[in-house]
Amino acid sequence: LLTQSPATLSLSPGDRATLSCRASQSVSSYLAWYQQKPGQAPRLLIYDATSRATGIPARFSGSGSGTDFTLTISTLEPEDFAVYYCQQRSDWRLTFGGGTKVEIK
Amino acid sequence: QVQLVQSGAELKKPGSSVKVSCKASGGSFSSYTILWVRQAPGQGLEWVGRFIPFFGTANYTQEFQGRLAITADKSTRTVYMELGSLRSEDTAVYYCARATTGYPDQWGQGTLVIVSS
Repeated sequence: LLTQSPATLSLSPGDRATLSCRASQSVSSYLAWYQQKPGQAPRLLIYDATSRATGIPARFSGSGSGTDFTLTISTLEPEDFAVYYCQQRSDWRLTFGGGTKVEIK
Repeated sequence: QVQLVQSGAELKKPGSSVKVSCKASGGSFSSYTILWVRQAPGQGLEWVGRFIPFFGTANYTQEFQGRLAITADKSTRTVYMELGSLRSEDTAVYYCARATTGYPDQWGQGTLVIVSS
């Protein structure tokens, strides 16, 4: 089970965003982060906890291992307001967190 | 560049079945797992199952055991997801995705399946 917090984050462009994902048991570093905008498929941002996917800007970074993980967006751009999901693949049964919505304050 | 193109929206009656296709263009079809993820209206993402083209095998989450089948036609580079005994709770957008990093990183456009009488 993956628990994301907070459910909603109200911030302004230029702010720093810190999103949390906690696993009920260790997933080692087998954790990814996705961004999803309305009407679009999710987009992979971070995989294996800390590796940025192809084409993802450097303002997105991931950290953590075991049960506690963080996605940081260093300086929010207008296009970053979206829903973010974490996902584990420590076993073949993938699971997703419930999501964090980053909204404009 | 790999592209995944899914079949169009479906409207189904409760108790019936739906078969959604996912056609891969570009890249090696057999090299990477194809995953299916669904998203009910206004809800989060839920993993449905996966197909491993290299072995020709499929795995499903427990919730769908017995009414889900994921198959593939290598000649047409198409993966199919068939869900039976449909109920209203199966109304969702169904996505296929390819996992080149071990995680779903190349996604189809999604297929809306509506289950309604």
